[in-house]
Amino acid sequence: RKEVEQDPGPFNVPEGATVAFNCTYSNSASQSFFWYRQDCRKEPKLLMSVYSSGNEDGRFTAQLNRASQYISLLIRDSKLSDSATYLCVVIQTNAGKSTFGDGTTLTVKP
Amino acid sequence: AAGVIQSPRHLIKEKRETATLKCYPIPRHDTVYWYQQGPGQDPQFLISFYEKMQSDKGSIPDRFSAQQFSDYHSELNMSSLELGDSALYFCASRRGGGSYEQYFGPGTRLTVT
Repeated sequence: RKEVEQDPGPFNVPEGATVAFNCTYSNSASQSFFWYRQDCRKEPKLLMSVYSSGNEDGRFTAQLNRASQYISLLIRDSKLSDSATYLCVVIQTNAGKSTFGDGTTLTVKP
Repeated sequence: AAGVIQSPRHLIKEKRETATLKCYPIPRHDTVYWYQQGPGQDPQFLISFYEKMQSDKGSIPDRFSAQQFSDYHSELNMSSLELGDSALYFCASRRGGGSYEQYFGPGTRLTVT
C-alpha cells in the first residue's frame, strides 16, 4: 500500500460544479499536510495548508481528519482555470520527508 | 517576489555522461529539497538539506549525490546517466523553523539519449 493515496481520476465536471478530492495517508506520525496544484509540465504550486480545524480560501476548503488519516479538498463553483492536477502532500515533520500522492486530474468544461 | 531558481532549464545528455543541476532557494530559505518527476508520475522525493547538512534521504540512486553550499544554493550531481533518469527535476525550498510549506522551482528537464 502506498504511503499516500489519492482518489483516482480523472474528474470531468462542468463549470460551476462542486468537486471534492480525498487523500489518505498511512503514517500516523505525519504532521503537516498540504494541497498543491500542478499544471502540465510546470512546477507544483502550493494551494493550501491543511489544518485539523479546516481552512478555507475563497472557493477552496481543506479538511484534515487525523483519526481517519485523510485530508480533503473541496472546490466550489469550479472555473475553467481550475483544470489541473491536484496533489496532496504529507510531511513527517521530524524527518522532513515529503510524500506526494499520485495526483488527481480535474478538467472543468464549459 | 523572488522564487526558486533552477538551472539549466533543459539539459540533454548521453548515457553514461554526468550532469549537474543547480538550485537557488528563495532568499532566507535554509532548507532545500530535490524531487524527480517522471512522465505521468508524482514527484518523488530524492534528498533534502537543512543548513548545509543532509536532513533526509529518499529514493536517490547511489549514482547521484547532492550538497548545499554556504550561500544555501544546492547542486545535484548525477553520474553514469541512464535512459531512465530522463525526468523533470524539481528543487523546492522553505524557511526552516516555521511552516513546512515548500515552494518549488520551475524544474530542470533532463533528457538522456
